Formats: sequence, structure tokens, C-alpha cells
Amino acid sequence: QKEVEQNSGPLSVPEGAIASLNCTYSDRGSQSFFWYRQYSGKSPELIMFIYSNGDKEDGRFTAQLNKASQYVSLLIRDSQPSDSATYLCAVKGGNNRLAFGKGNQVVVIP
Amino acid sequence: DAMVIQNPRYQVTQFGKPVTLSCSQTLNHNVMYWYQQKSSQAPKLLFHYYDKDFNNEADTPDNFQSRRPNTSFCFLDIRSPGLGDAAMYLCATSSGTRLQETQYFGPGTRLLVL
Repeated sequence: QKEVEQNSGPLSVPEGAIASLNCTYSDRGSQSFFWYRQYSGKSPELIMFIYSNGDKEDGRFTAQLNKASQYVSLLIRDSQPSDSATYLCAVKGGNNRLAFGKGNQVVVIP
Repeated sequence: DAMVIQNPRYQVTQFGKPVTLSCSQTLNHNVMYWYQQKSSQAPKLLFHYYDKDFNNEADTPDNFQSRRPNTSFCFLDIRSPGLGDAAMYLCATSSGTRLQETQYFGPGTRLLVL
């Protein structure tokens, strides 16, 4: 089992709709969770972090964490064409290493 | 603006010819990381420095070495690049390694091996 899994394929959403991305992790001791956005050919850019169970909102982005079920999700409201990118889930566990998922590609259709 | 800088942005080298990638930071962060990212894959941590303490990942090939001469600079040396080493190399920094400390990435260097 991979440390961080992002299994769904490319996600196409109409402009203005909600994009929902999910991520599961295997290390039950993980405490810190991050979402990075990566445009094609560019480096990852931090957009959200969450440490506590529940929801955390920042502008059009909401991160949701459920430690009991070992998943973290990202919602993008009012999706814009500029949101078209790959979103990487990253989890920091007890070894203080940041483990990344492979990412989910989001395509916002105008 | 405080930032992480990587040079060059694109590097072309020949099979077996040593190459050095550079990273500098103005954030005064204690920790500097090197990641390798291949197309459609997750970034893979190669090693990191906490101040001058070097921490190598167990599965990082010996072909990859690193130097950190001071707080601001860190170098990635690939002694004998193979075709499989073509990738984006990402430098990142953080103020520490505690659970809540985030990593900030530079723009990356894309390496092509001919």
C-alpha cells in the first residue's frame, strides 16, 4: 500500500462548479496534511494545510480532514480556468518526511 | 521578496557527464531538500540538510550527492547521469522539520540527458 494515494483520474468540471479531490494515507500517526497545486512544467505551490479534524476554508478552497478514516479532501468552489492544474496531496508522518501522492489533474472547462 | 531560486532552469547534459544543479534561498530556512519528480509521478525525496546535517534517503542512488556550503546555498551533484535521471529536480526549504512546518519549493530545474 502506498503511503499517499490519489486514485481518481483527470477531473473535468465546468467553470463555476465545485471540484472535489480525495486523498487517503496509510500512516495512522500522520499529523500534518498539505495540498499543493502544480501547473504543467512548474513546481508545486502550497495552497492549503490542515492539522485538525474537520474543515478549513481559505477563499474558494476548503480542506477536509478525517483522521479516523485516514482521508483528506480538497474542495474548489466556483472553479475557474486558472484552477486547471495537478493537485498534490502531501502528508507528514511521524518520521517528519513529507510523502506526496501522484496528484489529481483538474481541468476546468469554460 | 524572500524566495527559493534554482539555476539553471533547464540543463542538458550528456550520458555520463557530471552535472551540478544549484539552489539558493533568501528565507534563512534551516532545512533544504532535494526532490526528483518524473512525469506524472509524485516528487521523490532524495535527501535533505538540517543546517549542516546531511540526511540521505535509503533508496537514493550513490550517483546523487549534495553539498551545502552555507545556509543559503545547496547543490545537487549527479556524478554520472543516466537516461533514467532525466527529470525535474525540485529544491525546497522549511524553517524546521516539526510537523506543522511547511515546505516551499523553488521553480525547479528540468534535466535532459542525451
